[in-house]
Amino acid sequence: AQSVTQLGSHVSVSEGALVLLRCNYSSSVPPYLFWYVQYPNQGLQLLLKYTSAATLVKGINGFEAEFKKSETSFHLTKPSAHMSDAAEYFCAVSLLSSGNTPLVFGKGTRLSVIA
Amino acid sequence: DAGVTQSPTHLIKTRGQQVTLRCSPKSGHDTVSWYQQALGQGPQFIFQYYEEEERQRGNFPDRFSGHQFPNYSSELNVNALLLGDSALYLCASSLAGGQPTDTQYFGPGTRLTVL
Repeated sequence: AQSVTQLGSHVSVSEGALVLLRCNYSSSVPPYLFWYVQYPNQGLQLLLKYTSAATLVKGINGFEAEFKKSETSFHLTKPSAHMSDAAEYFCAVSLLSSGNTPLVFGKGTRLSVIA
Repeated sequence: DAGVTQSPTHLIKTRGQQVTLRCSPKSGHDTVSWYQQALGQGPQFIFQYYEEEERQRGNFPDRFSGHQFPNYSSELNVNALLLGDSALYLCASSLAGGQPTDTQYFGPGTRLTVL
């Protein structure tokens, strides 16, 4: 069964500093991986997704993630944090069966950005 | 183009009551999935509806049931509410026959509080 572990429930960075949010996955088959962001009192917005086409995936708002099979990781990074990046971030893996496969989410990492 | 909409925004119920939540998918989408997000947790898959039938179900009791209408909108019903049912309920829409990497679009959610 697929699962996702997000290391660190809360990460705090200074404005302009590197953002690194960690995600490790467990899957018996090649996974499809996603990062979503949730702002306060809002739903989930897709940041980026890994579809096996390229190991380095670029998303919206300057975020990117690298799929590393040997480390079973899909960490999210951004070179320079902005105050507007403060939110909850979720890593998710797709249960491979067909299209419209449900997503299995990690517990989330809350990112705080300090001025 | 309207995205995924959900109603109501907030709901307060007491234990033992029944509740109905509603979701309208993004234009052009025909599949609706429901997720429960407890406080401090990632979303958990409840079930998915396509062609007015439940196609996939997560590990949730029969107290959770749903319905999909011919216009693809959907309802989530929860009977005999428990305190532990308090959560943000998220609806996601997608297109049937799509790829596992197709984006699921999430609504803003309904915040259910059970007293």
